[in-house]
Amino acid sequence: DTGVSQDPRHKITKRGQNVTFRCDPISEHNRLYWYRQTLGQGPEFLTYFQNEAQLEKSRLLSDRFSAERPKGSFSTLEIQRTEQGDSAMYLCASSYRTTNNEQFFGPGTRLTVL
Amino acid sequence: QKEVEQDPGPLSVPEGAIVSLNCTYSNSAFQYFMWYRQYSRKGPELLMYTYSSGNKEDGRFTAQVDKSSKYISLFIRDSQPSDSATYLCAMSGQGAQKLVFGQGTRLTINP
Repeated sequence: DTGVSQDPRHKITKRGQNVTFRCDPISEHNRLYWYRQTLGQGPEFLTYFQNEAQLEKSRLLSDRFSAERPKGSFSTLEIQRTEQGDSAMYLCASSYRTTNNEQFFGPGTRLTVL
Repeated sequence: QKEVEQDPGPLSVPEGAIVSLNCTYSNSAFQYFMWYRQYSRKGPELLMYTYSSGNKEDGRFTAQVDKSSKYISLFIRDSQPSDSATYLCAMSGQGAQKLVFGQGTRLTINP
């Protein structure tokens, strides 16, 4: 069973550094989502793609954040000039257009900014 | 005020008990309702999915949606220690893509 995969699982970085995360969705899913989850809170929506088009971005996605899905398959999320407040779990999810928004999540990338 | 309210707990019950988890919401446009289970330091796992009002049962789990009251519930029968996790409710509107989550309820089932 090839579910949603994310890489790396953990990332420790120093403030001011850039980091990039990768998400590989379930193969037949054409929608891909990024969420951020902080300790003790539910996930918060960041952005989503349908195929290669980025169709919605949250106001949480500051200009230091950029996401791409160049060929409609895997996606990357980059954070530039990381801040301590960026420390969180970054979750990727995918869904198939006709299943009315049942989203399946990956294991997440836990980011710690020192 | 948050769009989705969920009591964070923690909730601790003995093995075999019936567990009731709840969320309330304020956005009447929500049409799709989901429950996720999340183990510590893992991604959320989809448990139940319901469209509009009504009940849905899957094994030991029953999801209920009451749109008139803007209230959803998840019941777990014959609870097991392996059910110990954080349970997240999530919902979205027709045509909307983002899920709006509750804070999550941390549940412990004691053997």
